[in-house]
Order: sequence, then structure tokens, then C-alpha cells
Amino acid sequence: ETGVTQSPTHLIKTRGQQVTLRCSSQSGHNTVSWYQQALGQGPQFIFQYYREEENGRGNFPPRFSGLQFPNYSSELNVNALELDDSALYLCASSLTSGGGETQYFGPGTRLLVL
Amino acid sequence: RKEVEQDPGPFNVPEGATVAFNCTYSNSASQSFFWYRQDCRKEPKLLMSVYSSGNEDGRFTAQLNRASQYISLLIRDSKLSDSATYLCVVNMGTGGFKTIFGAGTRLFVKA
Repeated sequence: ETGVTQSPTHLIKTRGQQVTLRCSSQSGHNTVSWYQQALGQGPQFIFQYYREEENGRGNFPPRFSGLQFPNYSSELNVNALELDDSALYLCASSLTSGGGETQYFGPGTRLLVL
Repeated sequence: RKEVEQDPGPFNVPEGATVAFNCTYSNSASQSFFWYRQDCRKEPKLLMSVYSSGNEDGRFTAQLNRASQYISLLIRDSKLSDSATYLCVVNMGTGGFKTIFGAGTRLFVKA
């Protein structure tokens, strides 16, 4: 096990609603990245948080937002949910930011938008 | 053109076979490279990092060719337990961090 935890494990929402997903990083890790993985696709990078600040962002609209807390845990918030937001949401923690760091993934949250 | 491209497969091989996967990337500023393994309905798990000098871990060998912008993974003596999706991963740390995953290559190892 990586020591990265996520909650909830599963979630069902309806279109237009808002959702908050949570991630606790591995002990000693100060960086958390979030990914969206649709069925049959590789994970798509949403953003990364390093020491409570956004450190990089993929091609996702502003309704995807995040936070990192002083204990380095993190939240992903998605507003105005759309059907296409149905996916597995993964968070990954790493020892620090930087291109060479290995990322360790949590088990993910499966979101279904109806 | 996708930033990271992999042959989706599936690759169907018998136990004991040697199988090779390739992955190409488009951004020459890419800094680090990894192979991850993902089992069905599970999270990706790190298989190995990839270096220009090559990296070997038991039956697995990974190689990076920066000039041609591709990375490879070789699996020797395939086991049934190697059946999974193999994801090529490229990190870019310039102008803000970014990680790009390939779509993955499916491998089925048959008895």
C-alpha cells in the first residue's frame, strides 16, 4: 500500500451539482496531484498542489478547483457537474514537486454523474 | 498529435514470452519518465523509472532514447500475473508541473 488515502470511494451525483473529493498524502510528502481517468483512457492531469499552492494545471476548466491544507492533505472540487465528469478521480502524492519525483497513487474515487 | 502515444494493444502472449512496448512523446523539454502498471479497476502502481542509461529490475528493462523521443519497456519470461495495462508517463517541470500519461497498452499473458 502507498499510504495515500481517498474519500469517498464511490459517489453518485446529478448534473449541475457540486462535489468535493478528499485525499490524504503519504507521510512526509508535501505534493499532491489530481487526475481524472475515464473508462479505457489513461489518467488526465488536472492540477498539482505544492505547499498549499497550485503548481501546475492541465487542460481542465475553472469549475475544477482544489485546495491543499497545512498538513498537505488536499481537496478537489468540481462545480456544475456534467455527465462527462463521470470517471475515476485519482490523487497521487510525491515527496516534493519537480519533474523527477515518483508519484504514489491512492485507490481513487469513482464518480457517477446522472 | 497526442503528447504521449502508446500502442493500445492488446498484446496476447503465452507464458514465458518476451514482449516489448514502446511509447513516444512530443515535448523535447520532458524531464522524467516512468512506466506504471494498472490492474483492472485499481490505481496505477509504479513499475520503474526510465533513464537514458537504461534501467533493469528483474525481468523488466526500461530504456529512454531522448534523441528519438521514445521510451521502451521489455518484459522477459512473461508470467500470468503480468497481465495488466502498462502506462507510459512523462513529467514536465518547466513553466509549472505537468504529468502526461499515455492511454496504456493492454497485456494478456496466457497459460
